[in-house]
Amino acid sequence: DAGVIQSPRHEVTEMGQEVTLRCKPISGHNSLFWYRQTMMRGLELLIYFNNNVPIDDSGMPEDRFSAKMPNASFSTLKIQPSEPRDSAVYFCASSPQAGGLGEQFFGPGTRLTVL
Amino acid sequence: GENVEQHPSTLSVQEGDSAVIKCTYSDSASNYFPWYKQELGKGPQLIIDIRSNVGEKKDQRIAVTLNKTAKHFSLHITETQPEDSAVYFCAVSKLIFGQGTTLQVKP
Repeated sequence: DAGVIQSPRHEVTEMGQEVTLRCKPISGHNSLFWYRQTMMRGLELLIYFNNNVPIDDSGMPEDRFSAKMPNASFSTLKIQPSEPRDSAVYFCASSPQAGGLGEQFFGPGTRLTVL
Repeated sequence: GENVEQHPSTLSVQEGDSAVIKCTYSDSASNYFPWYKQELGKGPQLIIDIRSNVGEKKDQRIAVTLNKTAKHFSLHITETQPEDSAVYFCAVSKLIFGQGTTLQVKP
């Protein structure tokens, strides 16, 4: 298996633009997680899905952020409009176990820079 | 809510020495405690985990100990090697990660 796939790997955009990050989890995994990593705040959980259903989105910073999982093999994280403070590395992870009670397999991340 | 504190934030050891990283948590209901290693430019990768029904788990040079009464767990790396240099994160079952420890192993 190729592991968790994220695209793009790098994204540079201007403030106010819409950004869409994409994730393909490992086949057969039924949990998917989106994280944001910054020097100041460390690794923060934004949202997680179980069987394509959002279970906990309490980490989503504000209404500008939204996430979807239309099927078991694809998820998106959208920021609209983007702001400079959104600059971070965004990780997607998947797990064969629900609720973070098992190993999570992380993708390589998307480095987002908002100018 | 759950709070996870990780110490130290940086740790420098000589090759061959041991390294210990400690995490404390606040929610006594937590029952799963993984440790992740993150190398530069990559996503975190699980290196060892422990569940609340055991006090210690070992995998070659890596071990994790859990004290549920005191609500802390520790990562122990013995006979450190330069390739152990990375950032290490603890986490608890509510998907809360510690702040990370940058480990540098000097040859």
